[in-house]
Amino acid sequence: ILNVEQSPQSLHVQEGDSTNFTCSFPSSNFYALHWYRWETAKSPEALFVMTLNGDEKKKGRISATLNTKEGYSYLYIKGSQPEDSATYLCAINLNDYKLSFGAGTTVTVRA
Amino acid sequence: KAGVTQTPRYLIKTRGQQVTLSCSPISGHRSVSWYQQTPGQGLQFLFEYFSETQRNKGNFPGRFSGRQFSNSRSEMNVSTLELGDSALYLCASSPDSRGTVPEAFFGQGTRLTVV
Repeated sequence: ILNVEQSPQSLHVQEGDSTNFTCSFPSSNFYALHWYRWETAKSPEALFVMTLNGDEKKKGRISATLNTKEGYSYLYIKGSQPEDSATYLCAINLNDYKLSFGAGTTVTVRA
Repeated sequence: KAGVTQTPRYLIKTRGQQVTLSCSPISGHRSVSWYQQTPGQGLQFLFEYFSETQRNKGNFPGRFSGRQFSNSRSEMNVSTLELGDSALYLCASSPDSRGTVPEAFFGQGTRLTVV
């Protein structure tokens, strides 16, 4: 079982502000890191899949970076909007179909 | 293209009963995984099936079992239900493309309440 840690557990952001949060994981035997956005009563939605050290991915106002040598990834939200309110999950897999998830960071954007 | 479909969405069972949950993957996806989420816990991996065979298994007791049919649909069964089995059960399907990262697409889940 991989120990995937996300911090902070929750955060509140004022609309228009930018924010970021962290996913930490064991760097040995790493294969891929996944970020998901999970809104209440919906399915977790895949945001990014990242494999290479130094990878940077962007989707609209959301971006992510990956450091496999030190075992962390950051997710950034630029200019937060109320629709960004969700739980953001990080997961790691080791060249198989089993994902080890962190507990998530719940983001609440205040208008 | 239809997404991952899980049925039922909500279920209430009594301790000691058994329950079967169903998952229909995205068309063409042959890998189906199951996850459990309990309050305060991250998603915990239960098992993964591919071509009707269990390929990976998490650390859950033998009361939790599953199977996959030839059309890739999967069922998960929990026998002798305990109160602690109350959780959201999520199913995810993945295309099995060699040499690519296995991306998982999730259903909306089945909310099981054991009373």
